[in-house]
Formats: sequence, C-alpha cells, structure tokens
Amino acid sequence: KNEVEQSPQNLTAQEGEFITINCSYSVGISALHWLQQHPGGGIVSLFMLSSGKKKHGRLIATINIQEKHSSLHITASHPRDSAVYICAGRYSGGGADGLTFGKGTHLIIQP
Amino acid sequence: ETGVTQTPRHLVMGMTNKKSLKCEQHLGHNAMYWYKQSAKKPLELMFVYNFKEQTENNSVPSRFSPECPNSSHLFLHLHTLQPEDSALYLCASSHQGGGPNSPLHFGNGTRLTVT
Repeated sequence: KNEVEQSPQNLTAQEGEFITINCSYSVGISALHWLQQHPGGGIVSLFMLSSGKKKHGRLIATINIQEKHSSLHITASHPRDSAVYICAGRYSGGGADGLTFGKGTHLIIQP
Repeated sequence: ETGVTQTPRHLVMGMTNKKSLKCEQHLGHNAMYWYKQSAKKPLELMFVYNFKEQTENNSVPSRFSPECPNSSHLFLHLHTLQPEDSALYLCASSHQGGGPNSPLHFGNGTRLTVT
C-alpha cells in the first residue's frame, strides 16, 4: 500500500525559529512533492525532488532515498510562512495523477 | 495569480439544489483534475481528464458529474448532495497527463457547504 506519513501534525513556533517538517513514505516513489496551502485554500507547489536537496529562498527540501524520508526546512521563519505543508509521493501505478498525499502539517509562526 | 482559476470561491447549497463548480486554466496544460479535501483528511483524487477525455473516476458517487468541454475548462456538476459532501474542492492542471516530472498547478478551491 502506498503511504505517506507526515510529522508533526501541528507545529507552533516563534518568528525566526528554524522549522523542520518530516515526511516518510513507503517504497516505490519516483518523486516527492512538497506543497503549501494557505488559509484561503489554494495550494502552491514548492518542490519536486527525487534525490538530494533543493533550495528556494528560505525553504530547503531534502530527501534520503535509503531511509525513505524527506524533510522540509524553513530558515528564519516568519508569520507569513503560516500554512499547511503537504507532502505527496508520486508512485508508479498510483492512479492517473500517481500521487499519494500526506495529511499535512499545520504550521503557525507567531510574531 | 496561480494560472488556475476556480469559481465560485464559496458555495452553500441545499441537498435538493443543482449547482456547478467551474475551473479554468491559462497554462496550456492538457490534463485537469478535481480533488476533494475534507477536514483532517488527505487530498482525494476524484476525476482526471487528459486531452478532454476522462481517464480516472475514483469511485465517485454519481451525484458528482464532471464535464470537460476543452483542455482549458473543467466543470463539476453537483446535484442532490449530502452534508458529508461539504469540503474544499480543488481543481488542478498539469502538462502531459501528469507525468513524473510534471508538477500540479492548483486553483484556490471552492469551499462547499451542503445544508
């Protein structure tokens, strides 16, 4: 069964803190996505990676294929980073979109 | 501006009503998707259209009826819904049917409440 597990489910931190959100998945993914969903509902694709590390501004995503684990890091967090962060694994044969989604991590950054 | 526009943003309807959700993408993509997001649950894929042809229907009840008149527009027709259908409905699009290197582009969603 294709599974994607995220932790923590909820995270509250102070502005400026270093944030880490974790994602574990079962074998067989070809790529892993990190998505950001703001309170209004819209979802933005942050990263798609299959190995190593990607960086965009204050956001860093890493993936460890051997451990079947990915992390999303936010440096110098800011209240505008408050959102739900969703991890999704793209599995072969996983449906027409091939994606299995995690339940999301609800992040709140307090000023 | 995400390139994928959904209307309306909010919809309240009774169980006997008929309404439609609309999605339009301006990205030149050829695959479009409907997802349902319920509270505390992962995103659920409902329908997929590749080149206007429906390729996936994940056992969605017939009270949800999709329509894709062209590769830029997608509708979700709703009739005789149940209160448990209340959720955020998200439209997405991608290129080349959502292959491994094709990210999804999402709209802002329609928040549906069934009373």
